[in-house]
Amino acid sequence: AQSVTQLDSHVSVSEGTPVLLRCNYSSSYSPSLFWYVQHPNKGLQLLLKYTSAATLVKGINGFEAEFKKSETSFHLTKPSAHMSDAAEYFCVVSDLGNTGFQKLVFGTGTRLLVSP
Amino acid sequence: GAGVSQSPRYKVAKRGQDVALRCDPISGHVSLFWYQQALGQGPEFLTYFQNEAQLDKSGLPSDRFFAERPEGSVSTLKIQRTQQEDSAVYLCASSLAAVASGNSPLHFGNGTRLTVT
Repeated sequence: AQSVTQLDSHVSVSEGTPVLLRCNYSSSYSPSLFWYVQHPNKGLQLLLKYTSAATLVKGINGFEAEFKKSETSFHLTKPSAHMSDAAEYFCVVSDLGNTGFQKLVFGTGTRLLVSP
Repeated sequence: GAGVSQSPRYKVAKRGQDVALRCDPISGHVSLFWYQQALGQGPEFLTYFQNEAQLDKSGLPSDRFFAERPEGSVSTLKIQRTQQEDSAVYLCASSLAAVASGNSPLHFGNGTRLTVT
């Protein structure tokens, strides 16, 4: 089964400084990987996805992630944090359900705190 | 709106009560998923529908949980004889594709927060 491990439960940064949210995956085949963001009382929103094309993936709101097979990592980065980036971030790997559909397996989440 | 709609937004139930949570997916979306998100955790898969067919219910935690999608659109997640450990946010998501695809994103609703007292 596929799984992801988010290495930090909380990350605190100052506005304007870089963001790094770490994720390692475990997969028996070439995975599809995603980052989702969840703002308080809002639905989950897709930030970006990797599906075996370019290893550097650009997403919305200036976020990007790099797939590194040798390190089994898919870390999320942003050059300069904004106050509105404060939210919960989930690293996600797709798994195949028992009838071939795409089932998402979520990490435990990283809460990003941005201070002025 | 064009998004996934869930109701109620909040539900408080006394232990032992039955509850029903509703999901209106995006019109025309074939696939529908239910996820359970406990406090401080990531969402966990409960069940999957392709149109009206429930193709996977392996994530349902017990036989007190039941989901249906009789006409292939609106879905209801029912929990019988609720227990305190059922307290969580229940998320519904839909996608256009009928088969596994990394190119058909899931659209999530805002969830129903269930509190069992």
